[in-house]
Amino acid sequence: EIVMTQSPATLSVSPGERATLSCRASQSVSSNLAWYQQKPGQAPRLLIYGASTRATGIPARFSGSGSGTEFTLTISSLQSEDFAVYYCQQYNDWPLFTFGPGTKVDIK
Amino acid sequence: QVQLVQSGAEVKKPGASVKLSCKASGYSFSRYAIHWVRQAPGQRLEWMGYINAGNGNTKYSQNFQGRVSISWNTSASTAYLELTSLRSEDTALYYCARDFEQHYVVGWFDLWGQGTLVTVSS
Repeated sequence: EIVMTQSPATLSVSPGERATLSCRASQSVSSNLAWYQQKPGQAPRLLIYGASTRATGIPARFSGSGSGTEFTLTISSLQSEDFAVYYCQQYNDWPLFTFGPGTKVDIK
Repeated sequence: QVQLVQSGAEVKKPGASVKLSCKASGYSFSRYAIHWVRQAPGQRLEWMGYINAGNGNTKYSQNFQGRVSISWNTSASTAYLELTSLRSEDTALYYCARDFEQHYVVGWFDLWGQGTLVTVSS
């Protein structure tokens, strides 16, 4: 099983600032990585797939990068609605898809 | 409106089974796979398995050691998750989620249900 880790566990950011979230896989997942946003009481929302492709309707301030074992989600200028938990998920190890533990982005 | 609507909360005793439903609307149900993902309190999301709603093929996570079964009713546009031999560690919010691609499975999810809380307690 591919184990996903994320850092930091919590990221405190002021509105308008840039946020950089990291995700690491225990072995290479190529570019088979997705990012999701989850707000309290809501289901996850797909942000990014293929490591860097934004899903439909996702604002351009969200960007993903990386391949192999190291990935980054960047939110260029945090808006109030972006404070949430972010999960990465690999889908390379088919069909045992695994998620990271999440990074909580909260208001500084 | 494209959505997945899940059945209501369940409370079960250890050793019992639970069957959850996930009804799709607003799109062609048989074109997409439906996955089940759960989230225990304070834990990460955990993928459980999927069903290809076009042909009924299923795949399951080995982590559930034969306790999980996914089925579907195409005429009702509904997928089901059955989990047997419940234990306290199965207490979680269970989500159904649609696979991104039509007609085959890619393994990322673009539409989620609202979740069903399953509580296992004696």
